[in-house]
Formats: sequence, structure tokens, C-alpha cells
Amino acid sequence: ELKVEQNPLFLSMQEEKNYTIYCNYSTTSDRLYWYRQDPGKSLESLFVLLSNGAVKQEGRLMASLDTKARLSTLHITAAVHDLSATYFCAASGYSTLTFGKGTMLLVSP
Amino acid sequence: SQTIHQWPATLVQPVGSPLSLECTVEGTSNPNLYWYRQAAGRGLQLLFYSVGIGQISSEVPQNLSASRPQDRQFILSSKKLLLSDSGFYLCAWSLGLNTEAFFGQGTRLTVV
Repeated sequence: ELKVEQNPLFLSMQEEKNYTIYCNYSTTSDRLYWYRQDPGKSLESLFVLLSNGAVKQEGRLMASLDTKARLSTLHITAAVHDLSATYFCAASGYSTLTFGKGTMLLVSP
Repeated sequence: SQTIHQWPATLVQPVGSPLSLECTVEGTSNPNLYWYRQAAGRGLQLLFYSVGIGQISSEVPQNLSASRPQDRQFILSSKKLLLSDSGFYLCAWSLGLNTEAFFGQGTRLTVV
């Protein structure tokens, strides 16, 4: 059974600081997805990582995938308040995606 | 382009009442369809998924059921709601089972 663990589950950051969210998964998976959820809203797709070594960047967010280590990271550069949200990673399992529990990111001045 | 519609956006229902949430996808054929539930402040729980009309896979035994009467329509139902059924229900679709999922706007259900 595929298990996906994110850490930290809660992250309070100051603006302009850098930080990384980690997503570990338990069995072989060659696809990894990152989603963003604003409070009270649905999930929005951020990144699709389809192969080992894949790196995607959008603004202050950069995601990478290491399938050998079964690890994906979401790096936040110079955080701004607009990035406050919950971030989920999801790995492709045998039949469906398996989601992590989410990382709640709070960026404050 | 593909779009997913989910309704209603919010719902308050008494314990013991029935439930019907509907989700439709436009702009694609034979999508894989999913129902997730998110309890307050928690992660996503996959409830049901469907790879085709009339084909439903249940992930968690519970008070809910799902149906797919048409290719792009997915319905979540309950005959009698429990307090524990409260949560944020999300419908999603994808082209393949392990591919990127696209979510509807969600239904916030409060059982009172």
C-alpha cells in the first residue's frame, strides 16, 4: 500500500524567507503531483513531475522529484503572504493517486 | 477545454435525511471520476472512483454510495446522513487513473 508523508504539516514563515516542504512516499511511483488549496476552496494543480530528476518552477515555487529516494520537495523562495495556503503532494499508486495530509503554510510579515 | 461542475456549493442537512451531490464533466469523454471527502483541517480521503458508466470502486466502507449513470456524471448519495458525514466533498476527474486529477469547487456539507 502506497503511503505518502509530508512534513512539516504546519509551517509558519516570515516573508522573504526560504523554506522547503518534503514529500516522501513508500513504494515505487514515477509520477508526483503538487496541489494548492486556499482556505475553504478546492484544490488547484501546481506541478506535475513525471520522471526522476524532474524540476518545475512557477514564480517563487520550485518542485523536484527524486524517484530513487522516493522524495519530492517543494521549495519556497522569498515567501510572500499570497503563498499562504495548504499544499498537498500526491503520488501515483496502483490504481489512484494517494495524497499526503497537506502542509499548511502561513506567511506573515 | 475541460470543465467540472459540482453542486450545491453548501448544504445543511438534518441527521437522518438523504443526500445527493452531483458532479458533471464537460469537454472530455470517458473520464475517470472521483469523490473525495475532507474533514475540517484534515487531508483528503478517497471515497469512490469510477472508470466507466456503472463501474464504481469503493475505498472506504461507510454510509455513502456513488453512481455513474452517464459517462460524465457522478453522483454521491446517502439514504440517511450521520453527523460524521459532515465535511468538504470534492469531485475530481482525470484521463487516467494515475494521472493528474482536476477538482471541482467542492460541496461543504454540514449535518445537524
